[in-house]
Amino acid sequence: SAVISQKPSRDICQRGTSLTIQCQVDSQVTMMFWYRQQPGQSLTLIATANQGSEATYESGFVIDKFPISRPNLTFSTLTVSNMSPEDSSIYLCSVEAPQGGEQFFGPGTRLTVL
Amino acid sequence: QKEVEQNSGPLSVPEGAIASLNCTYSDRGSQSFFWYRQYSGKSPELIMSIYSNGDKEDGRFTAQLNKASQYVSLLIRDSQPSDSATYLCAVSSGSARQLTFGSGTQLTVLP
Repeated sequence: SAVISQKPSRDICQRGTSLTIQCQVDSQVTMMFWYRQQPGQSLTLIATANQGSEATYESGFVIDKFPISRPNLTFSTLTVSNMSPEDSSIYLCSVEAPQGGEQFFGPGTRLTVL
Repeated sequence: QKEVEQNSGPLSVPEGAIASLNCTYSDRGSQSFFWYRQYSGKSPELIMSIYSNGDKEDGRFTAQLNKASQYVSLLIRDSQPSDSATYLCAVSSGSARQLTFGSGTQLTVLP
């Protein structure tokens, strides 16, 4: 499976600021996804990021709050804007296997907002 | 609203026993089913995928799918303390390709 890295691995941020999370894959992939895992909870899909098109957001998530870029087939960024303590979560990117179906996750970014 | 339900647990089994984890889903159009293992502080790791009715075995793991009952399960044979983790059921529907996750079942294997 692909090797996926995320930066930063963790960060502590002040309320009202923004953080951009990077996801890098060692091979070209069509589909990339961004998830959020709040403390003690399961994973919730934020958006699907395809190269060359606008990200598709799930209900409850909006582009102004979570802008996403997908400049090429190996890289994507998620920005958490105007952060509040409720944004404290683990943010995970995932990629779909070339044959489709299976998804593999990056190591995650642990965000704490004070 | 697509829903995936899991027994929240926690589930405790003795070492060497069979652990049985269950999952039901609401969308009859679901076509792909996955089990992920998540250790505390780590990201989810894919351990099984299943796409057709019946059983699929991989080492000590067996996934079972029954689309008529909208039910998927994971059996872990000869459970080991290293199997102690949260197990997440995930479902994908049709061309959507994004995954809907259950809330997870926390498994503890007691030495």
